[in-house]
Amino acid sequence: DVKVTQSSRYLVKRTGEKVFLECVQDMDHENMFWYRQDPGLGLRLIYFSYDVKMKEKGDIPEGYSVSREKKERFSLILESASTNQTSMYLCASSLRATGGQEAFFGQGTRLTVV
Amino acid sequence: SQQGEEDPQALSIQEGENATMNCSYKTSINNLQWYRQNSGRGLVHLILIRSNEREKHSGRLRVTLDTSKKSSSLLITASRAADTASYFCAPLTGANNLFFGTGTRLTVIP
Repeated sequence: DVKVTQSSRYLVKRTGEKVFLECVQDMDHENMFWYRQDPGLGLRLIYFSYDVKMKEKGDIPEGYSVSREKKERFSLILESASTNQTSMYLCASSLRATGGQEAFFGQGTRLTVV
Repeated sequence: SQQGEEDPQALSIQEGENATMNCSYKTSINNLQWYRQNSGRGLVHLILIRSNEREKHSGRLRVTLDTSKKSSSLLITASRAADTASYFCAPLTGANNLFFGTGTRLTVIP
């Protein structure tokens, strides 16, 4: 059974802290994604990675960075957490293919910044 | 970005009725995908329709695609309470990037 695992289901951090959200997939997928989801705003893409060490900015990369040192792991980093980064964060992965393939999602991390 | 826009934003129906939700997009696509999200969880892939297809079925799901109008629809027949969820479309261009809109919130009343 395919699996995308996010390191935490719930997380509470303080303003100014450096926060790491980890995502691991066991399907040997090339593509990995990080989204945030807020009420009324849908899912917004933060960063996309199509290979190890490769990344592309999504719609809202400000305040975030990412790391993809191994194919199976994609980390989202909040350099200095702020209260407006309180949100649900979703990781996904998919095979790299012309025209795209279905994506598999993790269970989400609900981050609260206080 | 090349996200889709779902319509309506919210839909409430009785169990057993059919539910139709629509997706519009702006760019040429290779395929279009539909996903479901149960409250507070990750998204689950439902169906993929390619740009050269006009209609596709999967169980109680029927998806249509009209590339001339840049629109797609998802029909759920004989709805059940378990179909209560948010539904998202994702139109894909040549790139593998994946953008979503705000979704349609479906409530099926038992």
